[in-house]
Amino acid sequence: EPEVTQTPSHQVTQMGQEVILRCVPISNHLYFYWYRQILGQKVEFLVSFYNNEISEKSEIFDDQFSVERPDGSNFTLKIRSTKLEDSAMYFCASSDITGSFQETQYFGPGTRLLVL
Amino acid sequence: AQSVTQLDSHVSVSEGTPVLLRCNYSSSYSPSLFWYVQHPNKGLQLLLKYTSAATLVKGINGFEAEFKKSETSFHLTKPSAHMSDAAEYFCVVSDVSTGRRALTFGSGTRLQVQP
Repeated sequence: EPEVTQTPSHQVTQMGQEVILRCVPISNHLYFYWYRQILGQKVEFLVSFYNNEISEKSEIFDDQFSVERPDGSNFTLKIRSTKLEDSAMYFCASSDITGSFQETQYFGPGTRLLVL
Repeated sequence: AQSVTQLDSHVSVSEGTPVLLRCNYSSSYSPSLFWYVQHPNKGLQLLLKYTSAATLVKGINGFEAEFKKSETSFHLTKPSAHMSDAAEYFCVVSDVSTGRRALTFGSGTRLQVQP
């Protein structure tokens, strides 16, 4: 069964450093998403991406974040200058388009980011 | 704005007994509702979804949920718990009327299954 994969599973970085989290969405999916979950808090939406551009973003997704689909398979989240409060589990998701906004988002296993 | 409240942060049941995980939602129009499960060190797996068809939705592993508009609830049930059901469960809402695809998650319910 196709699944979303994410690398690395864990990443430790120093405050102020740039990190890139990688995701491989399900191959025939066209919408891609990033969510995050700070320890002990809810899963929060960050951004959605379609047709090589951001289609929707939350207030959390400020200028220090960016997303990219550098090739036909990967989808990346870059944090330019990490802060302590960026420590979280980051989930990638993808969905197909059914035309009804009722498609299912399929999630990867997450990348646990720790900023020291 | 849409929101989800999961009424219990922890639920503990004995193996073989029924499971009830409670969820109430707030949405401006006609929501899509989902239950996802997260096992330790695993991703979020879809259990079931409601998208304005039948109000009683059957999912994987024997779980089901009933959409009750009058009560704004979408509780998850299973007749008989199995040890492998121990996990974190998330109730999730998406409001199609806004045209947004972003999912709104509840805070999660951790299910413990005692032998």
